[in-house]
Amino acid sequence: AQRVTQPEKLLSVFKGAPVELKCNYSYSGSPELFWYVQYSRQRLQLLLRHISRESIKGFTADLNKGETSFHLKKPFAQEEDSAMYYCALDFEKLTFGTGTRLTIIP
Amino acid sequence: GAVVSQHPSWVICKSGTSVKIECRSLDFQATTMFWYRQFPKQSLMLMATSNEGSKATYEQGVEKDKFLINHASLTLSTLTVTSAHPEDSSFYICSARSQGPQGSGANVLTFGAGSRLTVL
Repeated sequence: AQRVTQPEKLLSVFKGAPVELKCNYSYSGSPELFWYVQYSRQRLQLLLRHISRESIKGFTADLNKGETSFHLKKPFAQEEDSAMYYCALDFEKLTFGTGTRLTIIP
Repeated sequence: GAVVSQHPSWVICKSGTSVKIECRSLDFQATTMFWYRQFPKQSLMLMATSNEGSKATYEQGVEKDKFLINHASLTLSTLTVTSAHPEDSSFYICSARSQGPQGSGANVLTFGAGSRLTVL
């Protein structure tokens, strides 16, 4: 069965400091992994996906098959990054992690 | 970009009544739609997968007779909460998958804004 683990429920980071949101997955095949973000009072939206290998809003995420991880990183946090972040694994259906609430401290 | 519309955004009903929530893909055809339930400060829990023209696939523990799903067209799926009770009060979110093989880049879900159901 596919499973996604986000070990941190809450993460607070000072503005300008680096951010890393952890995500580990368990899946036997070749996964498609995503990060979704939900800003306050807004709908869930796609932040980035591993197959595109792009940087969105300064965030990047690298798939590490050896460690079965897909951590989300940003070198310098901004206040507008405060939101709920969900890691998700997609194979026929999208399975979400429990989410990490990121708070950027001014 | 792809847009998914969900209606109503909030609904209050009496215990024992049924409530229907609609999920529409506005500018693309969705072969598959998903229904999630989200409790306060918790993650999204997949309830069922809705495939156009066929029966929905329910996740373990989700009562199919309680949560009726219909996906009559490529742009519309509905979730009906039958004989609602206070414990059904929750935030229900739908998402739609555009057509495209896995790994093609088209395999991205677009989410609706959600529907908050309160059962009195």
